[in-house]
Amino acid sequence: AQTVTQSQPEMSVQEAETVTLSCTYDTSESDYYLFWYKQPPSRQMILVIRQEAYKQQNATENRFSVNFQKAAKSFSLKISDSQLGDAAMYFCAYITTGNTPLVFGKGTRLSVIA
Amino acid sequence: AAGVIQSPRHLIKEKRETATLKCYPIPRHDTVYWYQQGPGQDPQFLISFYEKMQSDKGSIPDRFSAQQFSDYHSELNMSSLELGDSALYFCASSDTGARTAVYGYTFGSGTRLTVV
Repeated sequence: AQTVTQSQPEMSVQEAETVTLSCTYDTSESDYYLFWYKQPPSRQMILVIRQEAYKQQNATENRFSVNFQKAAKSFSLKISDSQLGDAAMYFCAYITTGNTPLVFGKGTRLSVIA
Repeated sequence: AAGVIQSPRHLIKEKRETATLKCYPIPRHDTVYWYQQGPGQDPQFLISFYEKMQSDKGSIPDRFSAQQFSDYHSELNMSSLELGDSALYFCASSDTGARTAVYGYTFGSGTRLTVV
């Protein structure tokens, strides 16, 4: 079974600084997709960024970027120029190309200090 | 753009009561997924439906049942409610034919169920 591990239950960052959230996963599949979701206090689940396993280039969305290391099965999220609105739970998630459901990690709670 | 609609947003039930949660997927989406997220927990997959048939089953208690209707909306029925069922219940949808799931689910805002 596929598993997603987030080893940092909580992280904090100063406003305008950079923070990296870690995620590792375990799979025997060769074709899959990885995601970072943000869940603010409103509890809405918001997609932040997506990475296709067959692409070597790391995905970037504005201040959010990933470091995807396929061989190491690592998928970290870097948030640059952190803002107060970035404070939230961040979940790493995995899905294969089949119809199997999205699998989430335990989440990392990010605090942004003004 | 239309999103996934869940109702009700909040629900308070007593122990041993029954609750029904509804999910209306994005138009033309044929697959619905249900997740349960307890306080401070990650979302746990419960069950999914594709074209009105159950397609995958996760850690859904036997007291819960679900179905997808001809208009693709889905209902999660929860009976003999327990205090531990208090959680946020998310629904998400995708278009299996177009493989939209690989672009990331679109989640509804969730139903917050409180069992007292």
